Amino acid sequence: EAGVAQSPRYKIIEKRQSVAFWCNPISGHATLYWYQQILGQGPKLLIQFQNNGVVDDSQLPKDRFSAERLKGVDSTLKIQPAKLEDSAVYLCASSLGNTIYFGEGSWLTVV
Amino acid sequence: QQQVKQSPQSLIVQKGGIPIINCAYENTAFDYFPWYQQFPGKGPALLIAIRPDVSEKKEGRFTISFNKSAKQFSLHIMDSQPGDSATYFCAASIRGNNNDMRFGAGTRLTVKP
Repeated sequence: EAGVAQSPRYKIIEKRQSVAFWCNPISGHATLYWYQQILGQGPKLLIQFQNNGVVDDSQLPKDRFSAERLKGVDSTLKIQPAKLEDSAVYLCASSLGNTIYFGEGSWLTVV
Repeated sequence: QQQVKQSPQSLIVQKGGIPIINCAYENTAFDYFPWYQQFPGKGPALLIAIRPDVSEKKEGRFTISFNKSAKQFSLHIMDSQPGDSATYFCAASIRGNNNDMRFGAGTRLTVKP
């Protein structure tokens, strides 16, 4: 069974630039999550989708972050404009029941 | 908003030792407590999980101990191996409500040969 796919794996951008991350969840998983993991911390939920609807985006900084899951499968997370404090790993995950399956993450460095 | 406190931040043990990682939670509505293992450059992977109706769960060399009254749970790794060296995260959520899953800050475990 293929896991959660994410791209790109690594990205370095300058502050105020924009970046987009793509995620393809495990086939059949209706629930998709984007987490932010800052170095030395646990993952923090940014947004959760159920099919193509948003379940929770209360911790998403909506002035600069946006996410969509138009057809209920793939998802993109965009940051515009990026700040230095956005440097982190962005983890996409999908779930069946209580078990959350994470991708390998997209590492963002903002300089 | 940290609702799950994890300790220690880092832990070094010799091969064969039994590292113990502790977590404490605040929200009494939590009823699902997973542990995730994360290797460098990889995403977290579910290791073992427990529900509050049992006080202990064992899977291979990994054991979760759960103390509902103290709102604490811990991970024990028996006969630890260098391949167990990773970062371990505890988490807590309300069953069926993964958007409320809160992660601890993580424990970086090193098992020396």
